[in-house]
Amino acid sequence: QKEVEQNSGPLSVPEGAIASLNCTYSDRVSQSFFWYRQYSGKSPELIMSIYSNGDKEDGRFTAQLNKASQYVSLLIRDSQPSDSATYLCAVQNSNSGYALNFGKGTSLLVTP
Amino acid sequence: EAQVTQNPRYLITVTGKKLTVTCSQNMNHEYMSWYRQDPGLGLRQIYYSMNVEVTDKGDVPEGYKVSRKEKRNFPLILESPSPNQTSLYFCASSLTPTSVWETQYFGPGTRLLVL
Repeated sequence: QKEVEQNSGPLSVPEGAIASLNCTYSDRVSQSFFWYRQYSGKSPELIMSIYSNGDKEDGRFTAQLNKASQYVSLLIRDSQPSDSATYLCAVQNSNSGYALNFGKGTSLLVTP
Repeated sequence: EAQVTQNPRYLITVTGKKLTVTCSQNMNHEYMSWYRQDPGLGLRQIYYSMNVEVTDKGDVPEGYKVSRKEKRNFPLILESPSPNQTSLYFCASSLTPTSVWETQYFGPGTRLLVL
């Protein structure tokens, strides 16, 4: 079973701070990495994707990938209460039917 | 508007009574899949379809059936539902299954309670 591990949290940060979310994966041949945000009772929403080592920035979000360490992270700068949600890390590779293999998610709480 | 739709959104049923949850997408996507989400277990794939008439099992297919007769539709069938199939179900689609630069767009979810 290919594993995607996340700390379940909750991770609590004050408004305006940087939230750091981490994810490790076991399948070395994984090719694509995604971060989804999910509000309670709602469907997952893609916020970031990353495919090569290094950093990728999009607005307040930065995804970081280190394939050698099998580690992917998401940084949220200037955190807002509206960022409070569960963040799902997902990993995909062509050897498993292109299925998205999800971690169990990290709950983030941004306090005013 | 590009979207994935699911019906019904909420369903309460009894053990053994066959039910179908419909999923439809209007984006001409080839790849469609079904997930279930349970507390503490995360999202797990049930079945997926690479294209019309091509389906395959995901991680948790037991107790479910699917069909893909048309590109836009991918219904999930529970022939004899049991209480352990009480869950939140998501349908998802993506343009193609073969590009690692694609990801999946999710429907709004169907909350199922089996008594």
